[in-house]
Order: sequence, then structure tokens, then C-alpha cells
Amino acid sequence: NAGVTQTPKFQVLKTGQSMTLQCAQDMNHNSMYWYRQDPGMGLRLIYYSASEGTTDKGEVPNGYNVSRLNKREFSLRLESAAPSQTSVYFCASSERGNEQFFGPGTRLTVL
Amino acid sequence: DQQVKQNSPSLSVQEGRISILNCDYTNSMFDYFLWYKKYPAEGPTFLISISSIKDKNEDGRFTVFLNKSAKHLSLHIVPSQPGDSAVYFCAASANPGGTSYGKLTFGQGTILTVHP
Repeated sequence: NAGVTQTPKFQVLKTGQSMTLQCAQDMNHNSMYWYRQDPGMGLRLIYYSASEGTTDKGEVPNGYNVSRLNKREFSLRLESAAPSQTSVYFCASSERGNEQFFGPGTRLTVL
Repeated sequence: DQQVKQNSPSLSVQEGRISILNCDYTNSMFDYFLWYKKYPAEGPTFLISISSIKDKNEDGRFTVFLNKSAKHLSLHIVPSQPGDSAVYFCAASANPGGTSYGKLTFGQGTILTVHP
């Protein structure tokens, strides 16, 4: 039982490059989330998926897209990376909505 | 507009003493509050929560207090242990009609250091 897994753990991109962050959970949770954590800002919600087949914007969705591939997997795509997207990205899942289980994070640097 | 604020960036406590971490919020629609703990290079882990219909919730060494009139919550850790050294985030959600789907608003975090 791995919980929430994220790949990759680290990534360096050049401005304008694209990439997809992968997230999978094995707890059969309905809801999944993507957050970013920046120094002094806490965690901010980028996108979430209340259930398989649905996605919705969070607090800071600009520059990102998401795909809820199936109940287990929820990916986050940066189409054209910018230095302002340098951050640590966390994926989370939950069954009851509020008590979320987080993955270990992806540390992304955009040069 | 920071709806959830943790005004103390850091807190240092001696082992065995009480740690008190504070959190203030501005959105009166928030009705569920959580505390998460985060170690370096790991994701946050859920610690304890409280619904707005309560003013206290206790789980072992951890107690969360909610003062709705002051829009303030606090986490008490008694006794504090060196393994409690971590970043603590408070979070809140508003759930009108059960439609929030767990959209959490986090505070900035407080670094707790417990000295042996």
C-alpha cells in the first residue's frame, strides 16, 4: 500500500518547455488535488477533481492543465513553463473531502 | 488576500513543555479546520481536525481549540518531544451544502523546534 505516489521527484526545465507531473493513489479515493508550495505562502490549490471524470479550478490554475485519467491517476501539465512556476508540487487524495493524504512532492525548477 | 494566517513563522520549545501554535482566519464561511505536520522533503500528514460545531478536539498529546467569535484556532502539544520538530500548517474549508469537495485554504506554516 504505497498511498500517494508522484513522479518525478525533481525536474529542471527551461522557460517554454512543457512537462507532465504524474500522481497516482491506491486508496480508492474519489477526490484528488494538486497544490503548489512556495516559501512563505503555504500550500495553494491549483486544480482538483471531486470524482473520476470531473476537474475544476482551484486558487491558482493559470498556466496549468489537468487530466483525471481514471480513479487512481491525476496528472498536472505545464504547457509552457515559466520561472514563476518554480515550486514544490504536491498531489493529494481524499475520500471524505477534508482529510487529505499527500504525496512526497515534486521539486520543479524553471530556468 | 490571506484568508488563513499563521503569524508566527517559528516557535522554539523545550522538550516536555507545551507547544502552542496559533492560526487566525477571516472567512466566516469556514466550518472545518485541520492541522497538518510536514517534515523536510516529505508531504504534509494530517494531524487533527475540528468542526465548527465544537470548540475542542483532543487526540493523545494533541488538542485543537476553536474560538469562532475570535476566528482563531490553536494547536496544543503536551508534552512536546524532539520528534515533533516540523512545519505545522493550519487549513480550513467551507462546505455549504456539502459541495466543497475538500478545497482547503492553508496558512503559511509555523516551524516548530523542540530542543532536548
